[in-house]
Amino acid sequence: QKEVEQDPGPLSVPEGAIVSLNCTYSNSAFQYFMWYRQYSRKGPELLMYTYSSGNKEDGRFTAQVDKSSKYISLFIRDSQPSDSATYLCAMTAGSGGYNKLIFGAGTRLAVHP
Amino acid sequence: DAGITQSPRHKVTETGTPVTLRCHQTENHRYMYWYRQDPGHGLRLIHYSYGVKDTDKGEVSDGYSVSRSKTEDFLLTLESATSSQTSVYFCAIRGDRGQETQYFGPGTRLLVL
Repeated sequence: QKEVEQDPGPLSVPEGAIVSLNCTYSNSAFQYFMWYRQYSRKGPELLMYTYSSGNKEDGRFTAQVDKSSKYISLFIRDSQPSDSATYLCAMTAGSGGYNKLIFGAGTRLAVHP
Repeated sequence: DAGITQSPRHKVTETGTPVTLRCHQTENHRYMYWYRQDPGHGLRLIHYSYGVKDTDKGEVSDGYSVSRSKTEDFLLTLESATSSQTSVYFCAIRGDRGQETQYFGPGTRLLVL
């Protein structure tokens, strides 16, 4: 079993839809959670960063962490065609050392006009 | 783009030949990482460095070596390339002190024939 599970999609939605992307994990030591966006043939770009449980909002994006369920989500409101990309979740226990990130395999999202 | 460049951006080589990929950063970050990204596997850590001449293995280090003689440069070498090393390679740096995040370069697409 992988430490981090992420549905690979693809997920296809119409413009303006609310998108929900999710990851589950097994290691209860994870405290720091990230979402990266990766456009085709580009490097991953940090989108959201949260510590511990709770919500964090940035514009149309909301990251949610439920440590009791070992479940994290990324919500995209009013989705746009420019949101079409692969979304990777990542997490770490945070050691102060080399910062080992564990990544999900990524969910491919297509937003069509 | 976190001041990270990678070279070359694309490379085609033949089985058995040595290949060196370069990662260059301009912001004096201590930690640097090499990942490979393959369909269905997400990002997997090959090697990382925590300072000049200080490196260690990640989860998929077999067949790869690294060197860091200057803070700004982190080199990944495939001593004798194999077709299984066909992949997209990303370099990353660790975020600012207190942040458990990583920032990625644009990637190198390597094809081993």
